[in-house]
Amino acid sequence: GENVEQHPSTLSVQEGDSAVIKCTYSDSASNYFPWYKQELGKRPQLIIDIRSNVGEKKDQRIAVTLNKTAKHFSLHITETQPEDSAVYFCAARPSNDYKLSFGAGTTVTVRA
Amino acid sequence: NAGVTQTPKFRILKIGQSMTLQCTQDMNHNYMYWYRQDPGMGLKLIYYSVGAGITDKGEVPNGYNVSRSTTEDFPLRLELAAPSQTSVYFCASSYSQGGSYNEQFFGPGTRLTVL
Repeated sequence: GENVEQHPSTLSVQEGDSAVIKCTYSDSASNYFPWYKQELGKRPQLIIDIRSNVGEKKDQRIAVTLNKTAKHFSLHITETQPEDSAVYFCAARPSNDYKLSFGAGTTVTVRA
Repeated sequence: NAGVTQTPKFRILKIGQSMTLQCTQDMNHNYMYWYRQDPGMGLKLIYYSVGAGITDKGEVPNGYNVSRSTTEDFPLRLELAAPSQTSVYFCASSYSQGGSYNEQFFGPGTRLTVL
């Protein structure tokens, strides 16, 4: 099955700086890569996703890049704000599967 | 739309008791999932369903059972509760057709403690 590794496990950044989280996946058939944000005590919520036919996608201060050859994808958050503090999960889905494989999560803390 | 709803929000069980966690979605999604999230950890898939009458095991199914008699409902049954089942349980749903795959929407979670 698909195996997703996520790094780093914790990330502390100064407000206004950028944050980058990286994930690698094992199954070259994976074609869907979402990122979820989970605030303390809340449910995970999708913040951005990318499909394998696209190399980069942006939505305001967040962006995701995908390198299919190297089998890794990254989340970039620019101009971080205190409300960006949360746990972020990456995931991957092989084209022949019904389920997502999640990374272990990255706890992001934005220092004021 | 209410989205994905779960009941109860909190529950304390004694070892050996049984209970059913309820999950309902009103988005006409064909796929539904149950995850558990232990403190400070990621999401582990317990069971999933690709449509009414069809269920399959995820990576941690032992001690749980599911059924999917309707598109809307996907209850999770815990038999003989054990302290190792203390966790937060999330139900999720998504819609997929023709090979495309879309966002999983999560419910608010059920926090279960087994003492």
